[in-house]
Amino acid sequence: EDQVTQSPEALRLQEGESSSLNCSYTVSGLRGLFWYRQDPGKGPEFLFTLYSAGEEKEKERLKATLTKKESFLHITAPKPEDSATYLCAVHPITGTASKLTFGTGTRLQVTL
Amino acid sequence: DVKVTQSSRYLVKRTGEKVFLECVQDMDHENMFWYRQDPGLGLRLIYFSYDVKMKEKGDIPEGYSVSREKKERFSLILESASTNQTSMYLCASSSVRSSYEQYFGPGTRLTVT
Repeated sequence: EDQVTQSPEALRLQEGESSSLNCSYTVSGLRGLFWYRQDPGKGPEFLFTLYSAGEEKEKERLKATLTKKESFLHITAPKPEDSATYLCAVHPITGTASKLTFGTGTRLQVTL
Repeated sequence: DVKVTQSSRYLVKRTGEKVFLECVQDMDHENMFWYRQDPGLGLRLIYFSYDVKMKEKGDIPEGYSVSREKKERFSLILESASTNQTSMYLCASSSVRSSYEQYFGPGTRLTVT
């Protein structure tokens, strides 16, 4: 069974304090891994897609990386507006082509 | 920009009522999805559709049905609402051409009393 585990469940950082969020996954084969940001009371917003080990993607203060077993979302010098829940999802090669399996997310709070 | 809209942001219904949640996307995406999101459980897939009039059950289809009569529109139906269906409902769409990245609507917070 495909599984996605995100850690930590919650993270509190001070403004400027860099850190990383982890997404470990177990799939028989990976078609793609996705990162989303979700603000309270809103739908998830797409951030990145990663396809193969060693790949990296960047957007402002966020950088996502991928290995064969996990992905990291690095947040450099975060600001309060980066506070949100970050979701990871995998698209396995096997099974129904369109389905994603989501983790339960990391709640990030950045304080002044 | 991809836009996915949902018919209501907040909805309050009584137990036993039939509830319709509507979702529209404007990007000509082939795939559409309905999820529910509950604290501690994450996103759980209820139903999805990969073409007009086609549907497949997700992980938790019991108590729900769906309809896709047009490519841009996907409806979720709660045949007889129950209190355990109180949740945030999220619609999403994706395209084969964009590597299955899913784009979400703003969500509908449904409360069944």
